[in-house]
Amino acid sequence: GDSVTQMEGPVTLSEEAFLTINCTYTATGYPSLFWYVQYPGEGLQLLLKATKADDKGSNKGFEATYRKETTSFHLEKGSVQVSDSAVYFCALRGSGDSSYKLIFGSGTRLLVRP
Amino acid sequence: GAVVSQHPSWVICKSGTSVKIECRSLDFQATTMFWYRQFPKQSLMLMATSNEGSKATYEQGVEKDKFLINHASLTLSTLTVTSAHPEDSSFYICSATFGGGRTSYNEQFFGPGTRLTVL
Repeated sequence: GDSVTQMEGPVTLSEEAFLTINCTYTATGYPSLFWYVQYPGEGLQLLLKATKADDKGSNKGFEATYRKETTSFHLEKGSVQVSDSAVYFCALRGSGDSSYKLIFGSGTRLLVRP
Repeated sequence: GAVVSQHPSWVICKSGTSVKIECRSLDFQATTMFWYRQFPKQSLMLMATSNEGSKATYEQGVEKDKFLINHASLTLSTLTVTSAHPEDSSFYICSATFGGGRTSYNEQFFGPGTRLTVL
């Protein structure tokens, strides 16, 4: 079945450091890919998405490119801030009969220190 | 943006009792709501999908008699964990979308989750 694998955390960085959180997926067909962020005490929020190969999703300085050849959707940010501290989830939505379902990775906690 | 709330945010109960968790869409009408379960350091697992006014559709392996879902209005869905046992302890998260039906492509808006601890 479809699945998402993302790097284990926590990831601890200093402010203004470069961030990469790796995400790879297994899916049949042509999934859509997402990154969600969960701030403490809040629900998951959609951060960015890409719906087809080579699409780049971007928002709030974060970006991720849908790489079909490597089945990856790594999240990057050039300069993190303390306010970016949160848990980040990579997810996919399958095609066909599975198109209603979001499949999540296990989440990666990011801690940014001043 | 669209806001989804859950109540309670945490609950502790004795083994054998039933617990009800509410999920509300505060500023939009949710035609479809989803219930997820999350174990520590693991991903969210979809339990069931509910459309307003109809029976919930459960994912494989989820006991429908154990996890009762009611979506009686366009702004409220409830999950009742019946005869709860310690293995039901988990983090339960709902989401809502104003798209149509089970195959909606619309964005899901998530609640903050409810932590259930069964003693």
